[in-house]
Amino acid sequence: EAGVAQSPRYKIIEKRQSVAFWCNPISGHATLYWYQQILGQGPKLLIQFQNNGVVDDSQLPKDRFSAERLKGVDSTLKIQPAKLEDSAVYLCASSSRVLDEQYFGPGTRLTVT
Amino acid sequence: QKEVEQNSGPLSVPEGAIASLNCTYSDRGSQSFFWYRQYSGKSPELIMSIYSNGDKEDGRFTAQLNKASQYVSLLIRDSQPSDSATYLCAVITAGKSTFGDGTTLTVKP
Repeated sequence: EAGVAQSPRYKIIEKRQSVAFWCNPISGHATLYWYQQILGQGPKLLIQFQNNGVVDDSQLPKDRFSAERLKGVDSTLKIQPAKLEDSAVYLCASSSRVLDEQYFGPGTRLTVT
Repeated sequence: QKEVEQNSGPLSVPEGAIASLNCTYSDRGSQSFFWYRQYSGKSPELIMSIYSNGDKEDGRFTAQLNKASQYVSLLIRDSQPSDSATYLCAVITAGKSTFGDGTTLTVKP
């Protein structure tokens, strides 16, 4: 069974530029998560999808971050414009159901200069 | 008060010893509890899940859940240098997932 796929693995951009991350969850997993992990901290939930509907986006900075999950499968997370404090690893995870174990992709390391 | 709290460590144990990692959570309605291991520069990988009070064992790992006291712990028996990593506690409450900031474990040969 293929795991969670993410791309790109690394991205370096200047502040005020835009960037997009892509995630393909494990086949059949209805729940998809985007997390931001800053060095030394635990993953912080940005947005959670159940199929293609948003379950929670309370910690998503909506003035600059957006996310979508088309057809309940792949998802993209966009930042526009980026700030220095957005430098972090962006993790995508999926689970079969909301209460189940989550499986993580390799992450995208974003550096904003 | 943070929703999920862990001792930041670092926790250091000799090889072969038992490592004990603790996590407390603030919401009595929390439903699912997980331990993840994260090596430096890697993404979290699932170690254990636990949903009801008591102990759950899987190889050298034992998860313990006490909902009355709102804590969940992870015991690692016969610790190996390869167990050196950051251990993350995750809790699901009303369908929302929250992670602690992790405890860094070092196992010394």
